[in-house]
Amino acid sequence: NAGVTQTPKFQVLKTGQSMTLQCAQDMNHEYMSWYRQDPGMGLRLIHYSVGAGITDQGEVPNGYNVSRSTTEDFPLRLLSAAPSQTSVYFCASSYSLPGQNYNEQFFGPGTRLTVL
Amino acid sequence: TQLLEQSPQFLSIQEGENLTVYCNSSSVFSSLQWYRQEPGEGPVLLVTVVTGGEVKKLKRLTFQFGDARKDSSLHITAAQPGDTGLYLCAGDRNDMRFGAGTRLTVKP
Repeated sequence: NAGVTQTPKFQVLKTGQSMTLQCAQDMNHEYMSWYRQDPGMGLRLIHYSVGAGITDQGEVPNGYNVSRSTTEDFPLRLLSAAPSQTSVYFCASSYSLPGQNYNEQFFGPGTRLTVL
Repeated sequence: TQLLEQSPQFLSIQEGENLTVYCNSSSVFSSLQWYRQEPGEGPVLLVTVVTGGEVKKLKRLTFQFGDARKDSSLHITAAQPGDTGLYLCAGDRNDMRFGAGTRLTVKP
């Protein structure tokens, strides 16, 4: 299993450009999430999905869109990049065992995005 | 203001020393997780605690969940250079909220 994969690993954008960060998992997990990590802030949840066709907003959703057409893929779209979106972005997938009321998350290696 | 406050923010110790890092909140969580993150990589889950007062051990690491399920601690016995990394706590309140982390350096 490859686990959670993210592409690209690094990206530089100009203000106003759009792009899509790719995330894929091969563990058949229903739950997937996108986080951003900034110095001194920890990880903050952007959007998440509890299954194909279902998405919801997290703590910091503005400026980002997601879709979940398949169980495996969960792309994150930046509509019009801003310098405030300079960050490291992590995708995670998770599962919970029957009777377990929490998820075990597996993170991808991250995408380091710089917006000039 | 972070929902989860971690302390200390930075910790540098010698190999063989013991240490404790803390994760505190005024909110109640249904579960709390600890992760370790190394430079250039994503966080890796170490443990999940779900019951107030629960203690879990992972080799030299001991995790405790507070009785009121608002706080947690991570104790490392006889730290080794391989323990170096960013330790993150995360609490579940229908969505996962992370602390800012404790950056641990263990010097040989």
